[in-house]
Amino acid sequence: EAQVTQNPRYLITVTGKKLTVTCSQNMNHEYMSWYRQDPGLGLRQIYYSMNVEVTDKGDVPEGYKVSRKEKRNFPLILESPSPNQTSLYFCASSFTQTPPLFNEQFFGPGTRLTVL
Amino acid sequence: AQTVTQSQPEMSVQEAETVTLSCTYDTSESDYYLFWYKQPPSRQMILVIRQEAYKQQNATENRFSVNFQKAAKSFSLKISDSQLGDAAMYFCASYYLNYGQNFVFGPGTRLSVLP
Repeated sequence: EAQVTQNPRYLITVTGKKLTVTCSQNMNHEYMSWYRQDPGLGLRQIYYSMNVEVTDKGDVPEGYKVSRKEKRNFPLILESPSPNQTSLYFCASSFTQTPPLFNEQFFGPGTRLTVL
Repeated sequence: AQTVTQSQPEMSVQEAETVTLSCTYDTSESDYYLFWYKQPPSRQMILVIRQEAYKQQNATENRFSVNFQKAAKSFSLKISDSQLGDAAMYFCASYYLNYGQNFVFGPGTRLSVLP
């Protein structure tokens, strides 16, 4: 089944304790992206990756890191989480972001992160 | 900065009736795509419909259609024959081809469907 998977789905942690949220897709997609969703703000892009070893900042990159060593994986790293990073996080992928092959993004199920 | 605005935080509709969700966007770009995504209580993001800016014809997907007014930078979603399963948060989003940050989402409209 074609899908984007994220782990963990729920995480409660404390301020300053490094964590990683994994994201994996099995569709051979080039483009992957991370978003955070907060009430009243919709989804905001954190980082995106056009292909392996190519990443760039989105709208709200502060406090986050990413890496793209393999095409299928795009982990999100919080080196020193803070309470303002409590949010719902989505990973997404698509075949490409370049027309005419551009198509929809496929979203993972989301990760609910709480930082105490 | 590119922005997407949804001015209706919440809306409700009677089952089998029609409802229209509003979305406006602000851009100076000429090449872009517009989307409506649905997020039910399961939190899964589901693509409802998409529109290429260069196409004048409004997109339609079964009971879902859009009214794309390029000059007014408006992109509303019409849901016909509303069903209980349509209850969800709806996000309008834009994608700009020549802009570093790809996708911009609006704040969302929560739609309730009344039996």
